[in-house]
Amino acid sequence: DIVMTQSPDSLAVSLGERATINCRSSQSLFYSPNKKNYLAWYQQKPGQPPKLLTYWASTRESGVPDRFSGSGSGTDFTLTISSLQAEDVAVYYCQQYYGIPLTFGGGTKVEIK
Amino acid sequence: QVQLVESGGGVVQPGGSLRLSCAASGFSFSTFGMYWVRLAPGKGLEWMAFMWYDGTVKYYADSVKGRFTISRDNSKNTLYLEMNTLRLEDTALYYCAKPITEYGDYGDPLAIWGQGTMVAVSS
Repeated sequence: DIVMTQSPDSLAVSLGERATINCRSSQSLFYSPNKKNYLAWYQQKPGQPPKLLTYWASTRESGVPDRFSGSGSGTDFTLTISSLQAEDVAVYYCQQYYGIPLTFGGGTKVEIK
Repeated sequence: QVQLVESGGGVVQPGGSLRLSCAASGFSFSTFGMYWVRLAPGKGLEWMAFMWYDGTVKYYADSVKGRFTISRDNSKNTLYLEMNTLRLEDTALYYCAKPITEYGDYGDPLAIWGQGTMVAVSS
């Protein structure tokens, strides 16, 4: 199984400041034939289902604000919120869809400082 | 608009059974593979199962293999999860989810999620 390790577990950031969440996979998520990284990021607010933010490591889903950006390749990935807003308080998960079983990181709780 | 609505959750004793449903609308259900994912209290997201658009291929997490069965009725635009021999650790909010790509295998992000249905296994 591909193990997804997120850091930190929680993060407190001031409004307007940058938030950075890291995700490491136990094996490469890069598929050479199509040059894609099989990595997605989700946001889950209390009482709501997860929402897809980015996929293929760096493609932003339609309607997602451009303050959210995904980066990285291979085994190391990052979700950056460039200027934290109050509505960004949530738990964030990375997920690999390279192999079965599909696996998620443990989640990172983002709060306002 | 695209919508997924889960139902069928409830309280069940260990060893019992439940059947979850996921009613889909707003898209061509019969051309998309579908997922089940759960969120246990105090834990993270856990993928359970995936089924191809036509039902011919299914994948399961080891934790539920042999106990849970994913199925679908494309004429009713509905996905199912038959859950047998339930354990305390199966207590969770169960979500169905739809990928971005039609006719795809499991290698696709989960683009649309339902609100979930709660399953509580308790004696």
